[in-house]
Amino acid sequence: GQNIDQPTEMTATEGAIVQINCTYQTSGFNGLFWYQQHAGEAPTFLSYNVLDGLEEKGRFSSFLSRSKGYSYLLLKELQMKDSASYLCAVRDGNTGFQKLVFGTGTRLLVSP
Amino acid sequence: ETGVTQTPRHLVMGMTNKKSLKCEQHLGHNAMYWYKQSAKKPLELMFVYSLEERVENNSVPSRFSPECPNSSHLFLHLHTLQPEDSALYLCASSQGQGADTEAFFGQGTRLTVV
Repeated sequence: GQNIDQPTEMTATEGAIVQINCTYQTSGFNGLFWYQQHAGEAPTFLSYNVLDGLEEKGRFSSFLSRSKGYSYLLLKELQMKDSASYLCAVRDGNTGFQKLVFGTGTRLLVSP
Repeated sequence: ETGVTQTPRHLVMGMTNKKSLKCEQHLGHNAMYWYKQSAKKPLELMFVYSLEERVENNSVPSRFSPECPNSSHLFLHLHTLQPEDSALYLCASSQGQGADTEAFFGQGTRLTVV
């Protein structure tokens, strides 16, 4: 089976850096995704990691350690518009259709 | 602007009603998905269609019935739902089902069962 854990809520200040952690247990790991979801809107793709290490995309970076079953999303120079839920999702390669399993999401509130 | 469009955005239905959710993708993708998003719960995969062939999640009650007439359209037919089925229903699409394939989501249908 699969189990994905993320903090429920985090708060941070505009201009700061925040790290959102995700731990997972899965029998057929085949990649990890981060999505951003603003209230009432569709989740949008942020990053994909399949090998260990850091992937950087502008203000957002995502890190993966497969041996530890651990990932984090790092947001730099926080802006008010970054207030959203951040969803960690793991691709399960054991299923024929590469099932994407989501965590409950971390609600980030950025304050002035 | 999303390339995946869902209608209606909001739906209120009684437990004896029959309704359908519609999803259309304009991205040329060949795989489509239905997810259920309830408060404080993870996104739950309900159904997957790949090249119009269904791969079903066996834990989905039969009161939910998907239909994929072509690679651009996906429906979710609802009948005799329960109040606990109230949730946000999200449609997604992707190009193939490779490990690195990202899913593109629609904005969802907010369903309330009364």
